[in-house]
Amino acid sequence: AQSVAQPEDQVNVAEGNPLTVKCTYSVSGNPYLFWYVQYPNRGLQFLLKYITGDNLVKGSYGFEAEFNKSQTSFHLKKPSALVSDSALYFCAVSPVASGGSYIPTFGRGTSLIVHP
Amino acid sequence: EAGVAQSPRYKIIEKRQSVAFWCNPISGHATLYWYQQILGQGPKLLIQFQNNGVVDDSQLPKDRFSAERLKGVDSTLKIQPAKLEDSAVYLCASSLRPSGGAETGELFFGEGSRLTVL
Repeated sequence: AQSVAQPEDQVNVAEGNPLTVKCTYSVSGNPYLFWYVQYPNRGLQFLLKYITGDNLVKGSYGFEAEFNKSQTSFHLKKPSALVSDSALYFCAVSPVASGGSYIPTFGRGTSLIVHP
Repeated sequence: EAGVAQSPRYKIIEKRQSVAFWCNPISGHATLYWYQQILGQGPKLLIQFQNNGVVDDSQLPKDRFSAERLKGVDSTLKIQPAKLEDSAVYLCASSLRPSGGAETGELFFGEGSRLTVL
């Protein structure tokens, strides 16, 4: 069975500084990896995904993530944080199920707080 | 493009009562997911449908939870009888599977239905 670990419950960063939100995973076979963001009282919104190809994946709102197979990690990064980036971030992993479906398993989430 | 619609947004019931949640996915999305998100935790998959067939329901507590997607479009998740530990947000999501291909992998989530069991 697949699993995701987000080791930090909360990440604090000053506006304008780079940010990193960590994620490690466990899955049989090739990993398919995702990041989602959740604002208060809202559903999750897709940020980016790694399916195959370049290890550095670019996504929405200036976010990117780096896939590292040897470390089984998929950390989320942004060069310059904004106060509006403050939200809950979820990493997810999936194998490809029969019929080409994804069945994402989510981590417990990391609260990102960007201070003005 | 309309998003994933869920109702009701909020529901308060007493334990042992029943409750039903409704989800209408984005038009054309063949795959529909129900997730349970308990406060402080990540979403946990309850059931996944591909059209009107079940792909995975291994984590659905079948003694009290049921879900259906009869016509391959909207879906209903029912809990009967509810327990205190069912208090959570129930998230519905859908994804697109282009004709002849694998899914894009991107899930579109509704705003969720928050259940409080007293």
